[in-house]
Amino acid sequence: EAGVVQSPRYKIIEKKQPVAFWCNPISGHNTLYWYLQNLGQGPELLIRYENEEAVDDSQLPKDRFSAERLKGVDSTLKIQPAELGDSAVYLCASSPGGPLAGVPGDTGELFFGEGSRLTVL
Amino acid sequence: AQKITQTQPGMFVQEKEAVTLDCTYDTSDPSYGLFWYKQPSSGEMIFLIYQGSYDQQNATEGRYSLNFQKARKSANLVISASQLGDSAMYFCAMREGSNAGNMLTFGGGTRLMVKP
Repeated sequence: EAGVVQSPRYKIIEKKQPVAFWCNPISGHNTLYWYLQNLGQGPELLIRYENEEAVDDSQLPKDRFSAERLKGVDSTLKIQPAELGDSAVYLCASSPGGPLAGVPGDTGELFFGEGSRLTVL
Repeated sequence: AQKITQTQPGMFVQEKEAVTLDCTYDTSDPSYGLFWYKQPSSGEMIFLIYQGSYDQQNATEGRYSLNFQKARKSANLVISASQLGDSAMYFCAMREGSNAGNMLTFGGGTRLMVKP
């Protein structure tokens, strides 16, 4: 089974330029997450989708960041314009979602992609 | 208040010895899950082990075990017989509520270095 796929793996841009990241979740996973990970720190949630609906975007800086998940499958995260402080790794994750069944193996585990490392010069 | 606290920024352990990575959490929700992820230098997040708030026994997965002390709100990861390949960042995380789609909140991580 294919995992979470992200692209590009690496992106270097000048400040004030736009950038976009793409994520394809595991097939059948209803919930998709974008996390931001600064160097040496833990991931922080930017936005969470259940199907095509953004259910938690309180941490997304909406003046420059936008995200979409058309048709409830793939998702894109855009930054326009990028600032120096946006240099980080952008992680996409997915999970089946829904209520936990309480059976062994049903953990609500998040499956992560390899991340997109952004460097803003 | 921080929801997940990892107080050890870095740890050294001798190869083949056991090591404990600390994690404390804060929640008022009676239903929650606790996770440990490993992140090697290549960057991918690898799921290691899970403990549910209602689980009576400590979780174990191979060389990994989770020392769950509910009253103290701690969920320490124990790695037995450390290997060189265990050198990585380790993150403790918590999901609050019983919806499997709820977000995970991560701690700041602990960098583990295994010495040969």
